[in-house]
Amino acid sequence: EAGVAQSPRYKIIEKRQSVAFWCNPISGHATLYWYQQILGQGPKLLIQFQNNGVVDDSQLPKDRFSAERLKGVDSTLKIQPAKLEDSAVYLCASSHGTSGRGETQYFGPGTRLLVL
Amino acid sequence: SQQGEEDPQALSIQEGENATMNCSYKTSINNLQWYRQNSGRGLVHLILIRSNEREKHSGRLRVTLDTSKKSSSLLITASRAADTASYFCATAGGQAGTALIFGKGTTLSVSS
Repeated sequence: EAGVAQSPRYKIIEKRQSVAFWCNPISGHATLYWYQQILGQGPKLLIQFQNNGVVDDSQLPKDRFSAERLKGVDSTLKIQPAKLEDSAVYLCASSHGTSGRGETQYFGPGTRLLVL
Repeated sequence: SQQGEEDPQALSIQEGENATMNCSYKTSINNLQWYRQNSGRGLVHLILIRSNEREKHSGRLRVTLDTSKKSSSLLITASRAADTASYFCATAGGQAGTALIFGKGTTLSVSS
């Protein structure tokens, strides 16, 4: 089966600009996650969707970050305006079920963002 | 916040040697998972161990879990150069709807 797809793979922007990332999860996976991974650290959850509803967005900086998952499939993550500290790899992952009890997650290759 | 803390932060070994990484966590869990991340790539799931399990094997991987000490270890036997990567433990809490919380990872370097 096809894995989690993400685009773009790399993005360089100036601070205060906006940027959007796209994710297509594995077909049939109900739960979708966006993580931020800063260099040298583990991934940090930004937002978790179950179908097209938000389960957890407690660590999403809502003044500048937004995300949506229309029709319960693809998802976009947007940053507006970007700050220098947003430079990181943005990872999308999906899991099959809806129990949320720490299911195995399948990750995309990530989008590496550099904010200058 | 990060719950899992891996130890050591970095590990360098020769091919054929065994590599052991440890993970400690703070709160009760439903399961603990280990992931591998090759440079510039996404994470790959390696193994999941549930809170009522003590040991699990998968190929050259052996994972142990001690819930009384809130710790886990990942053993990779007969390491290969291709095992060079960062390894993360991730914990899943006891409540439904909780996502994984990742540690900072152990960077393993296997030289030939």
